[in-house]
Amino acid sequence: DIVMTQTPLSLSVTPGQPASISCKSSQSLLHSDGKTYLYWYLQKPGQSPQLLIYEVSSRFSGVPDRFSGSGSGTDFTLKISRVEAEDVGVYYCMQGIHLPITFGQGTRLEIK
Amino acid sequence: QITLKESGPTLVKPTQTLTLTCTFSGFSLSTSGVGVGWIRQPPGKALEWLALIYWNDDKRYSPSLKSRLTITKDTSKNQVVLTMTNMDPVDTATYYCAHILGYCSSTSCPGVWFDPWGQGTLVTVSS
Repeated sequence: DIVMTQTPLSLSVTPGQPASISCKSSQSLLHSDGKTYLYWYLQKPGQSPQLLIYEVSSRFSGVPDRFSGSGSGTDFTLKISRVEAEDVGVYYCMQGIHLPITFGQGTRLEIK
Repeated sequence: QITLKESGPTLVKPTQTLTLTCTFSGFSLSTSGVGVGWIRQPPGKALEWLALIYWNDDKRYSPSLKSRLTITKDTSKNQVVLTMTNMDPVDTATYYCAHILGYCSSTSCPGVWFDPWGQGTLVTVSS
């Protein structure tokens, strides 16, 4: 199975400041079709996960442009340019290139 | 608007079989390319993918749980059912179903993501 490792496991950010979450996969997520299948989800408190980013850097419908994704191969990053109070929750990366689909252990974002 | 809702027992005893139903609206599992997946989350822990099923009745299972899982669909009722045998306290978790676009082959799921998810249902395994 592909292991997804996120760092940090938690972070506390002042509103208006940036935040960055790293996700590293144990194998390359680059598919033979040239695309890289890395996704980011946010699980807000008491809610189900919601898709933020697909294929490394594409924002899903309705996701604010303060969220951005980058990376390649095995190293990926989710950045929030200016954290807002509504961004609190647990962020998960997910890979879909190899079955079984696997998720990172999650990164909890809190507001200072 | 796509919505999904999980239902089933909140408490099961060890060794029992769990049966969960995902009832959805806003899409049809008879439409090409459409699927439904199950994911679980133990309290305070990370997400774990369990199984998925497609419009054409293709099914994929997590290898670590494959011997215990069965996923089926009832297209006429807009439902997907997941059964898990031989339940253990470590299976205590919130179980989610989710809508899928994109197709998983037997080894890979390029372009497959889960959206939206149901609200989840907490299943506790205890005697």
